[in-house]
Amino acid sequence: EPEVTQTPSHQVTQMGQEVILRCVPISNHLYFYWYRQILGQKVEFLVSFYNNEISEKSEIFDDQFSVERPDGSNFTLKIRSTKLEDSAMYFCASSEWGGDLEAFFGQGTRLTVV
Amino acid sequence: AQKVTQAQTEISVVEKEDVTLDCVYETRDTTYYLFWYKQPPSGELVFLIRRNSFDEQNEISGRYSWNFQKSTSSFNFTITASQVVDSAVYFCALSDPNTGGFKTIFGAGTRLFVKA
Repeated sequence: EPEVTQTPSHQVTQMGQEVILRCVPISNHLYFYWYRQILGQKVEFLVSFYNNEISEKSEIFDDQFSVERPDGSNFTLKIRSTKLEDSAMYFCASSEWGGDLEAFFGQGTRLTVV
Repeated sequence: AQKVTQAQTEISVVEKEDVTLDCVYETRDTTYYLFWYKQPPSGELVFLIRRNSFDEQNEISGRYSWNFQKSTSSFNFTITASQVVDSAVYFCALSDPNTGGFKTIFGAGTRLFVKA
């Protein structure tokens, strides 16, 4: 069964460093998403991406965040200068156009900022 | 605005008990999808079920069953004869095509403890 894959599974970074989280969505999907889950809290929408541009973003997704689809398969989330409060689980998801509203989630990347 | 409420923060049951996890949602739209996800201690999100707004049939899958009632905007999840392996956080979620980009709104989750 096709799946969304994320790398790395766990990343530790120092405060102020840039970090890039990587995702490979399901190959025929056209919508891509990033979600964040701070430990013990709910999963929160960050951003959706379609046709090489952001289609919606939340208040959390400020200028420190950016997304990119650098090639035909990868979808990345960059945090420019990490803060302690960026420590969370980050989930990538993808969904197929055409009315299929089910997003398939990756297994997540746990980001720890120290 | 879209909203998902899971009023039960934590539930603790003894193995073999039945347990129901409540979910109430809010949306102004007539077309939407509802989901349940399981998050075990390892952290990944495990898809359990999707239900669209036009299909109010209840569903049973093994020990799991779901009760969708549009009249009360509820989508409750029941585990029959619970097992220790059911211990996890369960999230109810809503996906609404009118939010743009089909984003999914999650409830706060219910942590289920099943004791042996």
